[in-house]
Amino acid sequence: GAVVSQHPSRVICKSGTSVKIECRSLDFQATTMFWYRQFPKQSLMLMATSNEGSKATYEQGVEKDKFLINHASLTLSTLTVTSAHPEDSSFYICSAAGGARYNEQFFGPGTRLTVL
Amino acid sequence: KQEVTQIPAALSVPEGENLVLNCSFTDSAIYNLQWFRQDPGKGLTSLLLIQSSQREQTSGRLNASLDKSSGRSTLYIAASQPGDSATYLCAVSRGYGQNFVFGPGTRLSVLP
Repeated sequence: GAVVSQHPSRVICKSGTSVKIECRSLDFQATTMFWYRQFPKQSLMLMATSNEGSKATYEQGVEKDKFLINHASLTLSTLTVTSAHPEDSSFYICSAAGGARYNEQFFGPGTRLTVL
Repeated sequence: KQEVTQIPAALSVPEGENLVLNCSFTDSAIYNLQWFRQDPGKGLTSLLLIQSSQREQTSGRLNASLDKSSGRSTLYIAASQPGDSATYLCAVSRGYGQNFVFGPGTRLSVLP
């Protein structure tokens, strides 16, 4: 299948700082990328959908000013957690869809964020 | 709003047993359904993808079936092994290039 990478895989930051997470599709052009969040012992919940070149669509309850999403190219989307708080500590996973296999989504390995 | 449930929440079996994991979804208008495996602290590993027009998919010891009209899917694991221990997630997509809605998962432990 297609390959999606995330960077960093793990990050620890202090409360009040901002953290950027990158999601890259390595071998296909991702016209759509999704950002999910997974709290401990819970399932994945969709945070937002981003289409290349346009503003992201956020799910209800997700603050767009806190979770900034940029999808400036067909291979890269970034999620920036601004003014992070301990309750933002979670596992963030992106997925990408596009190209000839648009009916499938390919998931990144996830980023573990810990806010102290 | 689509909701996905999975039964059982947790399952512990001795090695070698065949087992069935269940997934139900409330809106039958799905585009596809996918089963994933997640190891503790790790990302998702795709196991099987079933398009809405398909009834089942097989890969090795795994077989997934889909009954779209009744909103159900099952994942059958034959001859379970300790290495199968993980959380199994079921997810459905409502359309071409649309996001997935995930179930809560089934935590499987296969005892040696």
